Amino acid sequence: AQKVTQTQTSISVMEKTTVTMDCVYETRDSSYFLFWYKQTASGEIVFLIRQDSYKKENATEGHYSLNFQKPKSSIGLIITATQIEDSAVYFCAMRASSSFSKLVFGQGTSLSVVP
Amino acid sequence: DMKVTQMPRYLIKRMGENVLLECGQDMSHETMYWYRQDPGLGLQLIYISYDVDSNSEGDIPKGYRVSRKKREHFSLILDSAKTNQTSVYFCASSPDWGEGAEQFFGPGTRLTVL
Repeated sequence: AQKVTQTQTSISVMEKTTVTMDCVYETRDSSYFLFWYKQTASGEIVFLIRQDSYKKENATEGHYSLNFQKPKSSIGLIITATQIEDSAVYFCAMRASSSFSKLVFGQGTSLSVVP
Repeated sequence: DMKVTQMPRYLIKRMGENVLLECGQDMSHETMYWYRQDPGLGLQLIYISYDVDSNSEGDIPKGYRVSRKKREHFSLILDSAKTNQTSVYFCASSPDWGEGAEQFFGPGTRLTVL
């Protein structure tokens, strides 16, 4: 069975600093995809960034990047130069190749960016 | 304009009443999903639909059923709603180009069962 765990319930950082959110996953599949989604205060959920398990390079997208440590089954989300509007709940998710398109989500980490 | 819509956005029902939540997408995505979100539990998959009349149970299907008669429309039905089905329900869709495709989410429906 697939499982995704986010142990950080909430984080608070100063504006313009860098933050890392942790995520560990469990799967027996050799091929899988890891995603990060952001849920704003209004409830909107948007896709941020994806890491393919077979790629060694860490994915980057704007001021989002990933720290993919495959031996540790870990996929951290790094946000650089944080802005107030980055305050949101961030979800890590995984889709294994054998999962028939099913996505498993972590519990989420609430990020607060303060001025 | 690519989007997923959900109706209604807010709904209050009494225990035992039937509930119909509707979802639409204008992107011709084959795969659609229904999730519920409860505090501290993230998003839990209720049902997944791979295309018209091709539906599969997710992780928590008990108490729910779905209907997909058109590719762009996916309904979630609660027959005789229970108080523990009070939650926020999200619909999502994804293109079918592979397992790496991201999901597009609707705005959510907040359901309260009294």
